Amino acid sequence: EAGVAQSPRYKIIEKRQSVAFWCNPISGHATLYWYQQILGQGPKLLIQFQNNGVVDDSQLPKDRFSAERLKGVDSTLKIQPAKLEDSAVYLCASSLARDSTNTGELFFGEGSRLTVL
Amino acid sequence: GQNIDQPTEMTATEGAIVQINCTYQTSGFNGLFWYQQHAGEAPTFLSYNVLDGLEEKGRFSSFLSRSKGYSYLLLKELQMKDSASYLCAVRDRDSNYQLIWGAGTKLIIKP
Repeated sequence: EAGVAQSPRYKIIEKRQSVAFWCNPISGHATLYWYQQILGQGPKLLIQFQNNGVVDDSQLPKDRFSAERLKGVDSTLKIQPAKLEDSAVYLCASSLARDSTNTGELFFGEGSRLTVL
Repeated sequence: GQNIDQPTEMTATEGAIVQINCTYQTSGFNGLFWYQQHAGEAPTFLSYNVLDGLEEKGRFSSFLSRSKGYSYLLLKELQMKDSASYLCAVRDRDSNYQLIWGAGTKLIIKP
């Protein structure tokens, strides 16, 4: 079974430039998450999708971050314009819906490491 | 409020046993997860506890006490490859079933 795919793995941009990250979840996983992880910290949820609908985007800085999952499968996360503090790893994760047969654990992609200069 | 506490860093010796503690405060506890994260890699699932007690999975075990808001991850027969960060995360029913993450415990294994 293929895992969560993300690209690019690494990206270096200057502040005020824009960047986009792509994620393809595990086949059949309806729930997709974008997390931001700063070095030495736990992941911080940016946005959660259920199919193509947004479940939670309360911590997404909407003045500069946007995300979409138009067909309920793959997703893109965009930052425009980037700030120095956006330097982090952007993790995409997917999961099955939690029920009596599974824990609803998250499966993570390898992440996209962003450096803003 | 919601809070997850775990030690920042621990050191242990190859072949030994180490216990990584996690304490939490959430209003709607709905399960606790442990993830392993090697440097520069994504977190991978280790264990899940929703009822009190010990869950054993090979060299790794996880314990939960809901009344104390406490969990630990026990790693036996430590190997050098166990050097990683260990993240504790609690699912909170009152936060739309989101995971509340600790900052992680960096475990250093010495020969």
